[in-house]
Amino acid sequence: EIVLTQTPGTLSLSPGERATLSCRASQSVASNFLAWYQQKLGQTPRLLIYGASIRATDILDRFSGSGSGTDFTLIITRVEPEDSAVYYCQLYDRSQFTFGPGTTVEIK
Amino acid sequence: EVQLVESGGDLVQPGGSLRLSCAASGFTFSRYSMSWVRQAPGRGLEWLASIKHDASEEHYVDSLKGRLTISRDNAKNYLFLQMSSLRVEDTAVYYCATLRISPAADGYYYFYYMEVWGRGTTVTVSS
Repeated sequence: EIVLTQTPGTLSLSPGERATLSCRASQSVASNFLAWYQQKLGQTPRLLIYGASIRATDILDRFSGSGSGTDFTLIITRVEPEDSAVYYCQLYDRSQFTFGPGTTVEIK
Repeated sequence: EVQLVESGGDLVQPGGSLRLSCAASGFTFSRYSMSWVRQAPGRGLEWLASIKHDASEEHYVDSLKGRLTISRDNAKNYLFLQMSSLRVEDTAVYYCATLRISPAADGYYYFYYMEVWGRGTTVTVSS
């Protein structure tokens, strides 16, 4: 079973700063199976990125994904108050899905 | 508008059973694989089960195999999750989501992701 680790656990930023969120897999994975989701407080999860780097429909270009192998990154350039949320990475592997524990992004 | 609406969540005693439903609208339900995901209070997301568009394949999280059954009714645009032997730790919000399996431009590989999510239905297991 592949385990996903997300760091940091919490990221506290001021508006306009850059957020760098990491998702590390316990073994090398195919990037086409890696997705990122945003979940704001009290809301349903929303797809941000799939295939490690492809923005989902209507997702602003402030959000970008990258990575390969075991290390994947979600970057939010110039964070805004509405970006306050928990961000989860997700992996598909052998017919199973695994979510990372999430990174909480707080906007000061 | 693509919409998923879950229902069936309830307060149930430990050891009990429950059947959750997810009503789909705004898209051709029979063409989409579907998934169930849950979130315990204050916790992260946990994938539970997926089913192919034609119900030809079902997959479950290893830890809950034997207690979950995913099914669908393509004629009525419904997805279901039957849960049995419920435990206190099954208390959670249960979401259904469309599971997109889309080919890359070159067709050599596929992307897997959960594109549209419902608002969830709450299951509370308590005596």
